[in-house]
Amino acid sequence: QSVLTQPPSVSGAPGQRVTISCTGSSSNIGAGYDVHWYQQLPGTVPKLLIYGNNNRPSGVPDRFSGSKSGTSASLAITGLQAEDEADYYCQSYDSSLSGPVFGGGTKLTVL
Amino acid sequence: EVQLVESGGGLVQPGRSLRLSCTTSGFTFGDYAMSWVRQAPGKGLELVGFIRSKAYGGSTHYAASVKGRFSISRDDSKSVAYLQMNSLKAEDTAVYYCVRVEWLRYLFDSWGQGTLVTVSS
Repeated sequence: QSVLTQPPSVSGAPGQRVTISCTGSSSNIGAGYDVHWYQQLPGTVPKLLIYGNNNRPSGVPDRFSGSKSGTSASLAITGLQAEDEADYYCQSYDSSLSGPVFGGGTKLTVL
Repeated sequence: EVQLVESGGGLVQPGRSLRLSCTTSGFTFGDYAMSWVRQAPGKGLELVGFIRSKAYGGSTHYAASVKGRFSISRDDSKSVAYLQMNSLKAEDTAVYYCVRVEWLRYLFDSWGQGTLVTVSS
């Protein structure tokens, strides 16, 4: 049971917009800690996708965006492409656990 | 270029020990916290633990699932982080990633390629 809750799976057709939620609590996201997102393409190493709630590292397309409100955060992907099919993880810091925490991950399927 | 290279994985019997190394280059190792994140086959990411930089006391933190069995250390002179794993169990079978952590934002910004640890008799 992860401290940060993500839907196990989401799907969308090419060109569509999908969102992935990350629900936390008052000891992590709600406490003001940043949320970061990682993308893990099949068979590869996780890669930083969004940092500091809504910032993209260089090289990440602007089709990817993040947002945060209250005790939740979201990752949005617009103009969905086949190569976006991957597992996505949110991550934050939890003051009760005194350490960083990951969400359980969401598998994105492009139909 | 930032590089993190894990080594030391392999097949080990339950109850035995294994030490993983993470050799780094391309950045000032002593300025960063270092962590180990694992991924069991077909499962999500699990933070095993981390070690802060000397500037933040060099303290360690472990997941409940490994506390008392695993320990993390660092050698800033060699730019290497270690994960000592004792009393290994079948459920410790996973790919272990060494990850650099930007501590101010608790950001896992650079990942190694991972090393597979298989615990089986």
